[in-house]
Amino acid sequence: QVHLVESGGGVVQPGGSLRLSCAVSGFTFKSYAMHWVRQAPGKGLEWMAVISYDGSSKYYADSVKGRFTISRDNSKNTLYLQMNSLRPEDTAVYYCARPPYSGNSEHYGMDVWGQGTTVTVSS
Amino acid sequence: QSVLTQPPSVSAVPGQRVTISCSGSSSNIRSNYVSWYQQFPGTAPKVLIYDNNKRPSGIPDRFSGSKSGTSATLGISGLQPGDEADYYCGTWDTTLSAGWVFGGGTKLTVL
Repeated sequence: QVHLVESGGGVVQPGGSLRLSCAVSGFTFKSYAMHWVRQAPGKGLEWMAVISYDGSSKYYADSVKGRFTISRDNSKNTLYLQMNSLRPEDTAVYYCARPPYSGNSEHYGMDVWGQGTTVTVSS
Repeated sequence: QSVLTQPPSVSAVPGQRVTISCSGSSSNIRSNYVSWYQQFPGTAPKVLIYDNNKRPSGIPDRFSGSKSGTSATLGISGLQPGDEADYYCGTWDTTLSAGWVFGGGTKLTVL
């Protein structure tokens, strides 16, 4: 059974930092690209970033470029999102998600999602 | 302002067929695969359609996807009360700031 479990969310002050983790099981993590997607309260889905299966390629949404960093540790089956210079508008539920295909699949969307972790940026 | 345009809401009665449109451009929908996601309040999204028209195992064939040019459409036939949810389209965008993009979402109400 494929599982994605996010953690690391919490309350942080504006300007602060937080690192989210996504622990996966049930599939060969090192073979799949991985995404981060967020959803602000009452709003739609917003894609954040994707990393290739081997970590060599990364793409970011303009809204977080230069502030957020996606990374992975294939030996630990874990995906990360380092979030710096956080702003109130970064308040959201953050999901990790996996594409439907292994390999070079950054362009193929998501077919498995975690349950999300909540980040609140507030003073 | 989303790169992909969806109607904010659609409604229909049980048993009817409803379609949800997703309008984009040559840099996204025309040149890349489209996916559709269903989301109930307080839960994670679930993929309904990927690669324009493929259904994951477990998704009933009441759900269908199509693409033509710079637009895509999600069709839901035999509408059920349990289909009331938010629906999002998404695809890759190959502009200078390449990345995945979602539509703004469509709230489906089953009357």
